[in-house]
Amino acid sequence: QVQLVESGGNVVQPGGSLRLSCAASGFTFSSHSLHWVRQAPGRGLEWVAVISDDGRNQYYADFVQGRFTISRDNSQNTLFLQMSSLRADDTAVFYCAREHSRGFYFDLWGQGTLVTVSS
Amino acid sequence: SYVLTQPPWVSVAPGQTARITCGGDNIRRKSVHWYKQRPGQAPVLVVYDDSDRPSDIPERFSGSNSGNTATLTITRVEAGDEADYYCQVWDSSTDHRFFGGGTKLTVL
Repeated sequence: QVQLVESGGNVVQPGGSLRLSCAASGFTFSSHSLHWVRQAPGRGLEWVAVISDDGRNQYYADFVQGRFTISRDNSQNTLFLQMSSLRADDTAVFYCAREHSRGFYFDLWGQGTLVTVSS
Repeated sequence: SYVLTQPPWVSVAPGQTARITCGGDNIRRKSVHWYKQRPGQAPVLVVYDDSDRPSDIPERFSGSNSGNTATLTITRVEAGDEADYYCQVWDSSTDHRFFGGGTKLTVL
């Protein structure tokens, strides 16, 4: 079954850290760039970061400001997002998304994992 | 940063045609993609590269892109089309992706 399954969401205090994971199955993981996209409660979609298929290139939204690191393990078909210095406005559902191999759009999404930053 | 502007709400009666716009500076130079998101669910791609449809999306969904505005058109609207719709582009100068603010489609 072709799918992405996120995990790792939790309640964390402001200034804390959290690591999200996204397990992929049913497709050739190493052939696709992968992204994290987030959605704050009641708000729209917001792109967070991308990592290339071979893991060599990463790009981040301006708001990340060095606080997040995207990585991947192609041997384990898993995508990660390491987040630190978390703020209340980072509270959101975080989705991992697969980028189509021939276009800059997201053709597969996970179900999301909720990150709540609160004291 | 590249700003995409969508109307917050669009309302349409069943069987009519809904048009959701996505405005951006010279957006015609970019490929625009559209996603549908129902409450509590992940987004689903409905149109890519301005006007192409994934094989599992009905022909009622179509897209266009001209000047400073891209448009998602849904003909013969059904109750199941009620959702939030987002446009998205890739900015080649930064390799960043951008989403519009989303449009809530209400079927009256």
